[in-house]
Amino acid sequence: NAGVTQTPKFRILKIGQSMTLQCTQDMNHNYMYWYRQDPGMGLKLIYYSVGAGITDKGEVPNGYNVSRSTTEDFPLRLELAAPSQTSVYFCASSYLRVGTEAFFGQGTRLTVV
Amino acid sequence: AQTVTQSQPEMSVQEAETVTLSCTYDTSESNYYLFWYKQPPSRQMILVIRQEAYKQQNATENRFSVNFQKAAKSFSLKISDSQLGDTAMYFCAFGAGTALIFGKGTTLSVSS
Repeated sequence: NAGVTQTPKFRILKIGQSMTLQCTQDMNHNYMYWYRQDPGMGLKLIYYSVGAGITDKGEVPNGYNVSRSTTEDFPLRLELAAPSQTSVYFCASSYLRVGTEAFFGQGTRLTVV
Repeated sequence: AQTVTQSQPEMSVQEAETVTLSCTYDTSESNYYLFWYKQPPSRQMILVIRQEAYKQQNATENRFSVNFQKAAKSFSLKISDSQLGDTAMYFCAFGAGTALIFGKGTTLSVSS
């Protein structure tokens, strides 16, 4: 039972480079989320999706893009990486929007230098 | 806008003792959910306990229990018989509408 799988676990990017953080879940959850965790700041919502083909912005969407072509996959794209995007990124999914448990991936530690 | 406040950045406790982590929130919603998540050094986010706002009874899960005070908008977590494996960061989270909103976390250290 894999749950939510994120790749890569670690990555170093140079300023201006782009990359895609992969996220896939095998629980057939409609709701998926991307959060970033900065030291001492908790988790902040970047983007979320309520189903295939439907995405919307969260609290801190600038500098990121997402797509949801299937129920299972919810990749996060960073264009023109900046040092401010150095963070730990978590993908999560849930059966219902907020009433049930959100299952998290193990996170991606991204450093932009 | 909803907010979640955890006023204790760090706490420490000895094994077998009891510790209480504080959380307050602000919302105009009447129907919502509250959660405590644990994040050990492995970085994995693990659900500890969940409370539905319409339920007056406080949730309990083994050594973990909450004190939910709806009128005061307070949701504290009590850990009884603390164990070394409880060492982690604990996040309080509020759920209504779009997605979970997290507090900044409390780092709990359990020592022998």
